[in-house]
Amino acid sequence: QQPVQSPQAVILREGEDAVINCSSSKALYSVHWYRQKHGEAPVFLMILLKGGEQKGHEKISASFNEKKQQSSLYLTASQLSYSGTYFCGTESNAGGTSYGKLTFGQGTILTVHP
Amino acid sequence: NAGVTQTPKFQVLKTGQSMTLQCAQDMNHNSMYWYRQDPGMGLRLIYYSASEGTTDKGEVPNGYNVSRLNKREFSLRLESAAPSQTSVYFCASSGGQVFDRGNTIYFGEGSWLTVV
Repeated sequence: QQPVQSPQAVILREGEDAVINCSSSKALYSVHWYRQKHGEAPVFLMILLKGGEQKGHEKISASFNEKKQQSSLYLTASQLSYSGTYFCGTESNAGGTSYGKLTFGQGTILTVHP
Repeated sequence: NAGVTQTPKFQVLKTGQSMTLQCAQDMNHNSMYWYRQDPGMGLRLIYYSASEGTTDKGEVPNGYNVSRLNKREFSLRLESAAPSQTSVYFCASSGGQVFDRGNTIYFGEGSWLTVV
């Protein structure tokens, strides 16, 4: 089942902050965050693993609440280059292995104006 | 530094025609995937291959077949294209051992397919 992202869209001015949320109904091993510009491939931002490990971007932070199966992406002091669609991808914690398969949310469109 | 390369980038097909999307990665990754992306739907997994010689269905496999030709290459075939298969297709790969979790997934640049 697809994770649910909120909000669906955000409009900011440069320098403002934003939070994007991702919520799943399944137990999760990891949450992956991607940003996609129009007409381009999704670009990896960050992975949050069960147990608290994070790997990713220097200017973007995120949290992962394993008990609630929720993750939030924090974009601080936004820049014009932050504009794009943000996707969370969730990796199941079900028995066996996920083989790295991700289930993606529907996306959050972020627009940053000067 | 090619990463994940997929061809063609754009294709227009008539209903009922067949075609193959090619994908290759040069990162020595074990796992490869094909996703489709439709407006408002995010990315949905069509098929994946956990290792050379294995393939398995994802969320939306109907109307597609795949081949993991070797460790580098993973192709997606539409045997009889339908307008519902109009979409953007992304190939992706991830590294680590087969049973690893938490590996970064790298995407190709996408293939825009229109079926008329």
